[in-house]
Amino acid sequence: AQSVTQLDSQVPVFEEAPVELRCNYSSSVSVYLFWYVQYPNQGLQLLLKYLSGSTLVKSINGFEAEFNKSQTSFHLRKPSVHISDTAEYFCAVKAPGGYNKLIFGAGTRLAVHP
Amino acid sequence: DTAVSQTPKYLVTQMGNDKSIKCEQNLGHDTMYWYKQDSKKFLKIMFSYNNKELIINETVPNRFSPKSPDKAHLNLHINSLELGDSAVYFCASSQGLAGGGYQETQYFGPGTRLLVL
Repeated sequence: AQSVTQLDSQVPVFEEAPVELRCNYSSSVSVYLFWYVQYPNQGLQLLLKYLSGSTLVKSINGFEAEFNKSQTSFHLRKPSVHISDTAEYFCAVKAPGGYNKLIFGAGTRLAVHP
Repeated sequence: DTAVSQTPKYLVTQMGNDKSIKCEQNLGHDTMYWYKQDSKKFLKIMFSYNNKELIINETVPNRFSPKSPDKAHLNLHINSLELGDSAVYFCASSQGLAGGGYQETQYFGPGTRLLVL
């Protein structure tokens, strides 16, 4: 079985500052990893994912995450945040094969202040 | 051009009532899901259907019954609503069951906010 821990429930940050949202997972097998973003009163949108290959994955809006197998982590980073990045961010994990059952973390609320 | 749509967007009802939430996807995907997001934003899968066949059924009260008339639709019917059913319910879809690559990506609907009074 897999589980996901998002270490921070809330992360306040000033606009244009860097940010890191932490995600650790637990699994006895290799996994696929995902970051989803939920803007206020909206559904979840896929931000980026790691399936295989390069451990550094990037999104089109400046976020990146690095898969670290030894530390079982998949932290999300952005060098300079905008007000519009204010949202809830969810880390999720899935074991390859089998049914497509995503296991989500509890979410991290990113609040960007001017 | 909404990929995954849900109706209604908001649903306010009394305890004991029966209600349904509808979901449709126009992505041509084979697999659809229902998730529940509680008041603490915790998101958990409830059901999944693949080509109208139930493949994931988490520990959910049998008051909840999913129905898939075709692979583009997955509806959720809830009987005898309780206060604890208040939550946001998300529908999602993906290309397939497994296999890696794009098949793994789930696309979510906008959610249905259910409030039971």
